[in-house]
Amino acid sequence: LAKTTQPISMDSYEGQEVNITCSHNNIATNDYITWYQQFPSQGPRFIIQGYKTKVTNEVASLFIPADRKSSTLSLPRVSLSDTAVYYCLVVRNTNAGKSTFGDGTTLTVKP
Amino acid sequence: EAGVAQSPRYKIIEKRQSVAFWCNPISGHATLYWYQQILGQGPKLLIQFQNNGVVDDSQLPKDRFSAERLKGVDSTLKIQPAKLEDSAVYLCASSLLASGSSYNEQFFGPGTRLTVL
Repeated sequence: LAKTTQPISMDSYEGQEVNITCSHNNIATNDYITWYQQFPSQGPRFIIQGYKTKVTNEVASLFIPADRKSSTLSLPRVSLSDTAVYYCLVVRNTNAGKSTFGDGTTLTVKP
Repeated sequence: EAGVAQSPRYKIIEKRQSVAFWCNPISGHATLYWYQQILGQGPKLLIQFQNNGVVDDSQLPKDRFSAERLKGVDSTLKIQPAKLEDSAVYLCASSLLASGSSYNEQFFGPGTRLTVL
């Protein structure tokens, strides 16, 4: 599975848009990009998944360029409650969906 | 819909003792995962079951860790004997049947925080 690289931490302010970029240079044709969010003392929670171009749901948008070697999670107008760790995963679409969590990006939203 | 249940939530033991964790996945979820999350790190997959068969246990320290999923529903993870470095949060997750045709998101339980003294 492709190894992912994310910034260790990011700071933002309430109301701003936050973009977290993940690189996955060795992504394979049958790999999907998936993002999870984890609050302290809780298990991770699925946010969004995509294969190429752009995916949007009620929580976030995911931008994936044509070469798929990176992806960007976009959180619109963050609030204090968006302070969490965000994980980028590459998920193999075969072999029972294997994936590996990295160490994630700690996002701190300030008032 | 009830989420993934885990117990106990907290456990403190001394090194060389044994400990067991229990997980009840979401009803109908065929795939069950156990993760170890050390403070400041991402979750590390220990074992993945599909129904009651093991799909991946490549990172399970088999000399001290064991897991079973009887009848393809509940699962237990055991550590015997525990070491200081086993101090971590143990997360259980479940998903619909993992297949080559689609990705099914994992739903995580609250975890069990283990402290080994």
